[in-house]
Amino acid sequence: SQTIHQWPATLVQPVGSPLSLECTVEGTSNPNLYWYRQAAGRGLQLLFYSVGIGQISSEVPQNLSASRPQDRQFILSSKKLLLSDSGFYLCAWSVNDRGYTFGSGTRLTVV
Amino acid sequence: QKEVEQNSGPLSVPEGAIASLNCTYSDRGSQSFFWYRQYSGKSPELIMSIYSNGDKEDGRFTAQLNKASQYVSLLIRDSQPSDSATYLCAVIPGGGNKLTFGTGTQLKVEL
Repeated sequence: SQTIHQWPATLVQPVGSPLSLECTVEGTSNPNLYWYRQAAGRGLQLLFYSVGIGQISSEVPQNLSASRPQDRQFILSSKKLLLSDSGFYLCAWSVNDRGYTFGSGTRLTVV
Repeated sequence: QKEVEQNSGPLSVPEGAIASLNCTYSDRGSQSFFWYRQYSGKSPELIMSIYSNGDKEDGRFTAQLNKASQYVSLLIRDSQPSDSATYLCAVIPGGGNKLTFGTGTQLKVEL
């Protein structure tokens, strides 16, 4: 069966520090991968998606970047965090148009 | 106009009643529709998918789709306190592969 791993679960980082969040998928090949952010009391905002290794599409201009170094690995990064980067970060995967499966999420607080 | 619209609620129903959650979407070419449940502090969980007009039932859940009216709904029969959560409607617009979410409806099932 397919599983998605996302870590860490919570993170508190100072403004200006770097960020690296990792997501890995097991049990499927060539999935579409996604990074979403959910700010407090708000909806899910798509940040990046990837249809293959090295292929990244950015949805929203921001202080973040994404990379896909391996088929089932998706990384979200920032060189310098801003207060506005705080939120609940969710990785998801899909194959075809059959809905997304989300990881457990990382709650990031920038202080 | 938002791509996917939901009433934010909260929608309060007594235990054992039918909860009715509604969603409208703007892209007439959309073909894939999903309902997610999100408990506070947790990641969204896919509970229903529907692709053609009509009703689709799964246990206590029924999804209804009306493409002519660009409307999708979720009915929860015999509502339980454990159903209390935020329900997210999601749509894949026509010609796309990215899930677009509504902001969610908060459901409270009261004893």
